[in-house]
Amino acid sequence: EAGVAQSPRYKIIEKRQSVAFWCNPISGHATLYWYQQILGQGPKLLIQFQNNGVVDDSQLPKDRFSAERLKGVDSTLKIQPAKLEDSAVYLCASSTTGIPAKNIQYFGAGTRLSVL
Amino acid sequence: DAKTTQPNSMESNEEEPVHLPCNHSTISGTDYIHWYRQLPSQGPEYVIHGLTSNVNNRMASLAIAEDRKSSTLILHRATLRDAAVYYCILRMEYGNKLVFGAGTILRVKS
Repeated sequence: EAGVAQSPRYKIIEKRQSVAFWCNPISGHATLYWYQQILGQGPKLLIQFQNNGVVDDSQLPKDRFSAERLKGVDSTLKIQPAKLEDSAVYLCASSTTGIPAKNIQYFGAGTRLSVL
Repeated sequence: DAKTTQPNSMESNEEEPVHLPCNHSTISGTDYIHWYRQLPSQGPEYVIHGLTSNVNNRMASLAIAEDRKSSTLILHRATLRDAAVYYCILRMEYGNKLVFGAGTILRVKS
């Protein structure tokens, strides 16, 4: 079974530039998550989709971050404009539906973003 | 979200068992206990989860205290590939979020 695919693996940009990350979840997984992981910390949820609808985006900095999941499959996360503090690994995860407390989330390898 | 407390780091010898503790004194009756681990340069991966009873799978065992205020992840024979950050997470029955703390860095010595 193919895992969660993310691209690119690495990205270096200058502050105030824009950047986009792409995620393809495991086939059949209705729920998709984007996390931000700053060095030395655990991942923090940015946004959660159920099919193509947003379930939770309470920790997404909406003035600069946006995400979409058209057609309920692939997803893109965009940052515009980027700040130095956005340097982090951006992780995508997916899971099936069902009782959330029992759901297993499957993570991609992440995109490491460096903002200079 | 209920909070968990884990040691910052632990060290183990290869081929020996490892017991990773987690305290969750404010756990509610319907919170599930999940463990994930994150190997270097990879995303987190699921290890095991449980509610009240001890659980075993091919990766590890989960021992849950009778009062559920603490739990222990047991790796029966640590290998170098088990060196990772281990996260203990509580999930509400209908809570979607995984709320990660800092986790425990496990170092395995050969």
